[in-house]
Amino acid sequence: RKEVEQDPGPFNVPEGATVAFNCTYSNSASQSFFWYRQDCRKEPKLLMSVYSSGNEDGRFTAQLNRASQYISLLIRDSKLSDSATYLCVVRGAGGYQKVTFGIGTKLQVIP
Amino acid sequence: NAGVTQTPKFRILKIGQSMTLQCTQDMNHNYMYWYRQDPGMGLKLIYYSVGAGITDKGEVPNGYNVSRSTTEDFPLRLELAAPSQTSVYFCASSSAGQDYEQYFGPGTRLTVT
Repeated sequence: RKEVEQDPGPFNVPEGATVAFNCTYSNSASQSFFWYRQDCRKEPKLLMSVYSSGNEDGRFTAQLNRASQYISLLIRDSKLSDSATYLCVVRGAGGYQKVTFGIGTKLQVIP
Repeated sequence: NAGVTQTPKFRILKIGQSMTLQCTQDMNHNYMYWYRQDPGMGLKLIYYSVGAGITDKGEVPNGYNVSRSTTEDFPLRLELAAPSQTSVYFCASSSAGQDYEQYFGPGTRLTVT
């Protein structure tokens, strides 16, 4: 089983739709979780951290389910500018060398 | 601040050639990283450094070497290039204690033929 698994998509959704991505991780000792965004042919950038209690940043909501070992990202009222690949990132015990990136889920928001 | 800069942006190498990918950051970050990203694959850590003079192997170090003589610079050396090293290479940096928030450079697209 891969350390971090994501559905690569693509997810094609109309503008204004709500879309959700999940990401599963295999190591139950993983400590912290993040979502990064990567635009086509660009570098990844941190989108948001994922807290145990869940967190929201505008139209974006991230949640963590430790029992089932997955994290999710919900995007409400999708905009064309949300089109990108969303990378799930898991930080395990052991610090910097145990930051694992998923392959990413591609989102295409269509007019 | 320029953030993390990488040169060159693109490069085509012949099998067996060598080259150095340059990476510089101006954020005074202690931690720096080199990743490669292949289509359909996640970012794979090649090497990382927690400070000047300190480097260590990541997940896929074979065929690469690094050095860290200053806080700002973290060059990646490819010796005897092979087609399997065709990839996009990203350099990143982060502050100590916030290694999850990595700032990436724009990447170098390398083709080995």
